This record gives sequence, structure tokens and C-alpha cells, in this order.
Amino acid sequence: AQTVTQSQPEMSVQEAETVTLSCTYDTSESDYYLFWYKQPPSRQMILVIRQEAYKQQNATENRFSVNFQKAAKSFSLKISDSQLGDAAMYFCAYRSGETSGSRLTFGEGTQLTVNP
Amino acid sequence: DVKVTQSSRYLVKRTGEKVFLECVQDMDHENMFWYRQDPGLGLRLIYFSYDVKMKEKGDIPEGYSVSREKKERFSLILESASTNQTSMYLCAIRGRFSYNEQFFGPGTRLTVL
Repeated sequence: AQTVTQSQPEMSVQEAETVTLSCTYDTSESDYYLFWYKQPPSRQMILVIRQEAYKQQNATENRFSVNFQKAAKSFSLKISDSQLGDAAMYFCAYRSGETSGSRLTFGEGTQLTVNP
Repeated sequence: DVKVTQSSRYLVKRTGEKVFLECVQDMDHENMFWYRQDPGLGLRLIYFSYDVKMKEKGDIPEGYSVSREKKERFSLILESASTNQTSMYLCAIRGRFSYNEQFFGPGTRLTVL
């Protein structure tokens, strides 16, 4: 079974600075997808960024980018020019590309605080 | 925009009560999911459904059941609520034409006294 681990329960960053959230996963599959989701306080979970395992190029979405290291099974999220609105719980998630269905396996989450 | 709604934002129930949590989507998606979210544990899959009247157990189905009589509605049922089922419950659907991402409802915070 696949597992996803986020080893940083809490992180903090100064506004306008850069922060990196860590995620590692364990799988024997070669085809899969990885996601970062954001859950702001009392608000809905939304997708931040996705990465297909077959793509070597790291995904980017505006101020959000990932460092995908397939051999190391690492998938970190970098937030540049942090804003107060980035404060949230962030979850890393894995989806198999080989088995049927579309279930996600989530990490424990990292609570990000942005200090003004 | 994909819309996923959940019947209650906050719910307080007593031990032993039968509890229904409802999730409704408006986009005719087949795949629907129920997760529970607990601090330090992330999201854990309880049940999911591929289509009407179809269901599959997730990682923690004990103490729960589900019902999907119509495509747009997926209900999570706690047959006899217990205090260890106090949690945040999140419903999600799979986007049909997206890269397998899921869209989430706002969540129901359930407290069992």
C-alpha cells in the first residue's frame, strides 16, 4: 500500500519570503500522480498544484512550484513571495495511475503560518 | 465551477444515535468519496462510490455505511454514533475531465457527546 508522509506538522514564514513544505511517499508503482491541496481556516479544500510522475519537468502555478524527485520519492512544495492568504493547512496526496479508481492517499498535513 | 455541498456544517449528536451526513454534487460525476480528517492523521478514506448503488470500502469503514441511490447524492451513515467518531467529515468528487484531482465539499464537523 502507498503511504504519504509530511514530517513538518507546523511551519511558519514571513510575508514575502519563501517557504518549502516537505512530502515523501512510498510506492512500488511507476505511474502515479501527486497533488498538493490547501485548506484555509474554516474554508474548503482546494487543489494547489499537481504533478504527473511521467513528467520530468517540475510543475509550477504562479508562486507555487514543486521539486519532484522521483528516485528519492520526494515531492516538496515551494511557496514564493508568501502572502497572508497562504496561511492554511497543506496536504500532500498520492493517486495511483495503475490501479482502477481514483482514490487519494493523503499525508498528515502541514499547518503553515504566515507572519506579517 | 464544480459544486459539492454537504448537508450540515456543524452537527452535534449523542452516543448511540443514527447519523446521516449527506453530500450532493451538481456535475453528474460518477466517483464520490467520504473522508474523515483528524489532527495529525490527515484525511483517511472511509468509503467511495463509482456509480449509483455501487460502493467500495476505503481504509477505515468500520462503524460506517453509505448509500448512493441517485447519482448526485452520496450519504454517509453512522449506524450508532460513538465518541471516537467525533471528527471532520469531507465529501469529494472526482473531476471527470481533470487530471484525476478531487473537488471537496466544505466539510461537516461532527461532535458525538
